[in-house]
Amino acid sequence: AQSVTQLGSHVSVSEGALVLLRCNYSSSVPPYLFWYVQYPNQGLQLLLKYTTGATLVKGINGFEAEFKKSETSFHLTKPSAHMSDAAEYFCAVRIPMFSGGYNKLIFGAGTRLAVHP
Amino acid sequence: GAVVSQHPSRVICKSGTSVKIECRSLDFQATTMFWYRQFPKKSLMLMATSNEGSKATYEQGVEKDKFLINHASLTLSTLTVTSAHPEDSSFYICSARDYRDNMNTEAFFGQGTRLTVV
Repeated sequence: AQSVTQLGSHVSVSEGALVLLRCNYSSSVPPYLFWYVQYPNQGLQLLLKYTTGATLVKGINGFEAEFKKSETSFHLTKPSAHMSDAAEYFCAVRIPMFSGGYNKLIFGAGTRLAVHP
Repeated sequence: GAVVSQHPSRVICKSGTSVKIECRSLDFQATTMFWYRQFPKKSLMLMATSNEGSKATYEQGVEKDKFLINHASLTLSTLTVTSAHPEDSSFYICSARDYRDNMNTEAFFGQGTRLTVV
């Protein structure tokens, strides 16, 4: 069964500093990988996703993530943090349907990003 | 991107009453919708998968009679919390998959419903 581990439930950075949110997955087949952001009392917004092709994926708001199969990782980065980036971030995995998977998205526990001046 | 509208965004109800939450896909058709529950400062827990025109598939441990799901059309799924109790207070989020997404690469999320049972 697939699973997702997000290292660090809380990450704090200074405005302008590098953002690195870690995500490792466990899956017997190459999965689809997602990063979502959640602002207080709101739903989830897709930041970026990896399905196939280029392993470095660029998303919205200057975020990007790299799929590293050998490390089973999909870490999220942003070169320079903004105050508006403060939110909860979720990594998620889904097994593709053609690999015998189904609709279910499996979420990590989430990482709360704080950005201070 | 596609838009999923969830209504209401907040609801307060008395213990013992039922509450209905709607999830609508506004600009696409969704054969499959998902209902999640999120506890404070926790991740999302999938409650059930809702399939248009058929019965929902519930995750283990989720009471079917407690959380009634109906997916009567390609753009609307509803979650009814029956005989609500304070422990049902939570943030409920729906998501929907565009039926044209054959590779099932993405799901779009509603803005969530904050349910408070008093």
